[in-house]
Amino acid sequence: EVQLVESGGGLVQPGGSLRLSCAASGFTSSSYWMSWVRQAPGKGLQWVANINQDGSGKYYVDSVKGRFTISRDNAKNSLYLQMNSLRAEDTAVYYCARDTVGVGLDCWGQGTLVTVSS
Amino acid sequence: DIVMTQTPLSSLVTLGQPASISCRSSQSLVHSDGNTYLNWLQQRPGQPPRLLIYKISNRFSGVPDRFSGSGAGTDFTLKISRVEAEDVGVYYCMQAAQFPLYTFGQGTKLEIK
Repeated sequence: EVQLVESGGGLVQPGGSLRLSCAASGFTSSSYWMSWVRQAPGKGLQWVANINQDGSGKYYVDSVKGRFTISRDNAKNSLYLQMNSLRAEDTAVYYCARDTVGVGLDCWGQGTLVTVSS
Repeated sequence: DIVMTQTPLSSLVTLGQPASISCRSSQSLVHSDGNTYLNWLQQRPGQPPRLLIYKISNRFSGVPDRFSGSGAGTDFTLKISRVEAEDVGVYYCMQAAQFPLYTFGQGTKLEIK
């Protein structure tokens, strides 16, 4: 069964850092692009970042550039999102998603909640 | 950046009746490879999003055939032929024409009368 499981969310103060992880199983994650998408409480979806199969290509939405870093460890079938200089507006459920080129975000995890508050 | 605009933002539908959601992009979603990268996703209450339709009209694996997508260029439509109780949720269009940069519509909330 194809599965994505996020972890690492929690409560952090403004200006703080957090590292999210996403464990993939049931498929060879190294064959796919992977994305992070977030959803603020009661709001819509926002694509945050993605990374290509070998990690050499990384792309971000403008609002997180310079603060967030996406990475992956294909040996561990894992995806990461390092979030620094966190702001209240980064509060959201963060989903990792498998990105099949030509199809789209075709498999999603359950999400992990990040709350930025003092 | 491509802006995706959905209408309506909320829809109240009777069980067994059809439903339709529109999505308009600020620029053409036709990619240089000739494909049009417009997807539809469903998010049921308390659940993560789920891919329904890709490249305008291709139903993803396991998606019932009461869901259909159509459109071209900048104007797209998701139709549900006969709404069932399990269809309640929020529907999003998403552009991937600017791959690897994506944007979503604001979402359309579907409720049952």
